[in-house]
Amino acid sequence: DAKTTQPTSMDCAEGRAANLPCNHSTISGNEYVYWYRQIHSQGPQYIIHGLKNNETNEMASLIITEDRKSSTLILPHATLRDTAVYYCIVMDSGGSNYKLTFGKGTLLTVNP
Amino acid sequence: DTAVSQTPKYLVTQMGNDKSIKCEQNLGHDTMYWYKQDSKKFLKIMFSYNNKELIINETVPNRFSPKSPDKAHLNLHINSLELGDSAVYFCASSHSAGGETQYFGPGTRLLVL
Repeated sequence: DAKTTQPTSMDCAEGRAANLPCNHSTISGNEYVYWYRQIHSQGPQYIIHGLKNNETNEMASLIITEDRKSSTLILPHATLRDTAVYYCIVMDSGGSNYKLTFGKGTLLTVNP
Repeated sequence: DTAVSQTPKYLVTQMGNDKSIKCEQNLGHDTMYWYKQDSKKFLKIMFSYNNKELIINETVPNRFSPKSPDKAHLNLHINSLELGDSAVYFCASSHSAGGETQYFGPGTRLLVL
């Protein structure tokens, strides 16, 4: 079962920042927060992940609260091509036999 | 170059038939996966192989038999297809089985009539 809670859907205007929240109140100390997205009719795509510190890459930024019970994925300048379902997943990393457990995700619609 | 590829992209078949889906990755990864996404869009892991060895089997019916001839390939054979097998099947790979980033293929859309 997914260990995260996300809003079902969100809207964002093109060119504006999209802030996607995720609650993971039962996260344990060695679990990372991963974000993937699935654009319609395509396979899921990795976006970013983090443990404690905020992370940034060419796609997005990940802000994790100090207590690690929630996080926010930020797409700084959303484009129409960012319309997708965004999945927040918590997973232990560094062991073996670990699997991604996808929840329902958030459908982000970027409007022109 | 496609990192994770699947064939066929679409598969339409009759109930009771046997079919195979193929997956290949050119990333040099050790671990490969099969996921199923049903009509309600839930994405669930089915199997995982690490260095050709089965490491995850999520209580999938034994009509489904994965086979990994080498680290770069993970095929999925399905016997006696049922209506409920209609779904999109995604293959993925990762560097190792240690919870690392997974790279997904484009999916195979299976429709059982």
